[in-house]
Amino acid sequence: QQQVKQSPQSLIVQKGGIPIINCAYENTAFDYFPWYQQFPGKGPALLIAIRPDVSEKKEGRFTISFNKSAKQFSLHIMDSQPGDSATYFCAASIGSGGYQKVTFGTGTKLQVIP
Amino acid sequence: DGGITQSPKYLFRKEGQNVTLSCEQNLNHDAMYWYRQDPGQGLRLIYYSQIVNDFQKGDIAEGYSVSREKKESFPLTVTSAQKNPTAFYLCASTSPNYGYTFGSGTRLTVV
Repeated sequence: QQQVKQSPQSLIVQKGGIPIINCAYENTAFDYFPWYQQFPGKGPALLIAIRPDVSEKKEGRFTISFNKSAKQFSLHIMDSQPGDSATYFCAASIGSGGYQKVTFGTGTKLQVIP
Repeated sequence: DGGITQSPKYLFRKEGQNVTLSCEQNLNHDAMYWYRQDPGQGLRLIYYSQIVNDFQKGDIAEGYSVSREKKESFPLTVTSAQKNPTAFYLCASTSPNYGYTFGSGTRLTVV
């Protein structure tokens, strides 16, 4: 019940395309859904996050779509660029206080080709 | 700039040796975490600490130990009992209403 299932495992798109990464969860107690971006040899960095009371959130070229009834959420990258090539992790957590119990997806390796 | 500093960036361990990975933060965060990342896999929680002098086992704590004597510091020791320690180790911290802040990681290799 604590799993977060992420797909696809890898993704190749051309520059300007719109890659979409999907995640699904089971535990309805999750109340915070962040996405992290990780470049090779670096730690992940928080990219964008959403709470279950909204269906969509945009920050720059990155959009999270959230479907509470289906228990699914996805990341869209508009006008993708080669610099977006990285591994993306979705996550779900319970509690937004100082301590957060987080479950991570297994990651999607995105390659944006020029 | 506030952040998390992990050192060393690369670490080599001989068989039967204990090694300690450093994690220091100047973000004034109470909660800190250690994760292990293997190639092509997600992040697995080793230990976490919600407050000074308190820490809890995560999902894969066997063969690891931690201490939290200061708010800023959360070192991880990989003991000889950890049979497959080669991995990328990430330290993180959290503050209320914000996700994780990660360090830049330590890559540990057994030689």
